[in-house]
Amino acid sequence: NAGVMQNPRHLVRRRGQEARLRCSPMKGHSHVYWYRQLPEEGLKFMVYLQKENIIDESGMPKERFSAEFPKEGPSILRIQQVVRGDSAAYFCASSPPHPNEKLFFGSGTQLSVL
Amino acid sequence: DAKTTQPNSMESNEEEPVHLPCNHSTISGTDYIHWYRQLPSQGPEYVIHGLTSNVNNRMASLAIAEDRKSSTLILHRATLRDAAVYYCILRDYNAGGTSYGKLTFGQGTILTVHP
Repeated sequence: NAGVMQNPRHLVRRRGQEARLRCSPMKGHSHVYWYRQLPEEGLKFMVYLQKENIIDESGMPKERFSAEFPKEGPSILRIQQVVRGDSAAYFCASSPPHPNEKLFFGSGTQLSVL
Repeated sequence: DAKTTQPNSMESNEEEPVHLPCNHSTISGTDYIHWYRQLPSQGPEYVIHGLTSNVNNRMASLAIAEDRKSSTLILHRATLRDAAVYYCILRDYNAGGTSYGKLTFGQGTILTVHP
């Protein structure tokens, strides 16, 4: 049973470009979470999704950031018109439907904005 | 989510037990106590969780105070691979709200293990 898969592992973008980060949850998991970790800082919750629904996006910046988890395919975190401050490690986690089940995290995508 | 307080850092020697404390004086009756750790350049990893009773698994033990206002993660024999940031997190399992799913990470405790 493969773990949570994130790709790419490293992503380099120039200011103003778009970044698309992909997350494939573990088999049987219908809940996906995205977190951001800025250099030398802690993990910050961004968004919580179930299949085709955004449940909690209280941690998402209001502009330029969007997330989806379609019926088929991976979850996508999209950052439009990236700025240097978006440089961070972005982690995805997945869990089964029960609210107290543990989260399984991927290895993250390191986004660097030049 | 209720807040937790952990020491910024702790040190241990290899092969010795490690006790990582966590205070959560405002814990509610529906909060589970979760522990995760993050090794360098990796995503967080689940360690253990509990509600009221002490818990054991292959990675660690969790000792929960009788009033649930504090807990201690116990690594019985630290290894160099246990060097990580350890996070104590309260997770509300009240399924009625939309926030029950997410984990809110604090600063955690940086554990250094010396050979």
